[in-house]
Amino acid sequence: QVQLQESGPGLVKPSETLSLTCTVSGGSIGSYYYSWIRQPPGKGLEWIGYIYYSGSANYIPSLKSRVTISLDTSKNQFSLKLSSVTAADTAVYYCARAQIGYNYLFSSWGQGTLVTVSS
Amino acid sequence: QSALTQPASVSGSPGQSITISCTGTSSDVGAYNYVSWYQQHPGKAPKLMIYDVSNRPSGVSHRFSGSKSGNTASLTISGLQAEDEADYYCSSYTSISTVLFGGGTKLTVL
Repeated sequence: QVQLQESGPGLVKPSETLSLTCTVSGGSIGSYYYSWIRQPPGKGLEWIGYIYYSGSANYIPSLKSRVTISLDTSKNQFSLKLSSVTAADTAVYYCARAQIGYNYLFSSWGQGTLVTVSS
Repeated sequence: QSALTQPASVSGSPGQSITISCTGTSSDVGAYNYVSWYQQHPGKAPKLMIYDVSNRPSGVSHRFSGSKSGNTASLTISGLQAEDEADYYCSSYTSISTVLFGGGTKLTVL
């Protein structure tokens, strides 16, 4: 049974870069799409982007200029960097793995980590 | 890209059936049969309940079913149970290879 676990700072200052890592355990990181999804407090889900194990990535247009998702297969990890953050980026950030053969179907999720943007 | 449109809340009594709608556009919901539904209990990660409009993952109750007509998808829960009380989100693959979620619907079991 695959498990995903987010890690990273819970507090980021405005204008700085938010950095999170997701560690995948219980299976190989290969052959899957991996996504980051966020949820502002009391609000709905927002897909941020995905990366394929080959390294190709795609992002939501509204965040594309600020987001980078990368993959480290040697560590079974993938990461999110979101630059120039504001209070609007405060959210619970989830990492998720898509079902094999899909890039839009999230069958395995991390527990989520709250990131607050505040000075 | 705007979020898919869902009702903010629905409610039903135990044993009844409810339906949650999810309206998009011809660039997402209407373009592909790639609509999914997720259930989220407070403080928990979402759980996949329906994929590709009407398919249930292994382990999901047969009381959950999905359908689609044009730009609107629907999730129906029959035989409501107290444990079904949660937030429900639809999602769709889009024509620019991104994923769009709905705003979420809070289901209350009376």
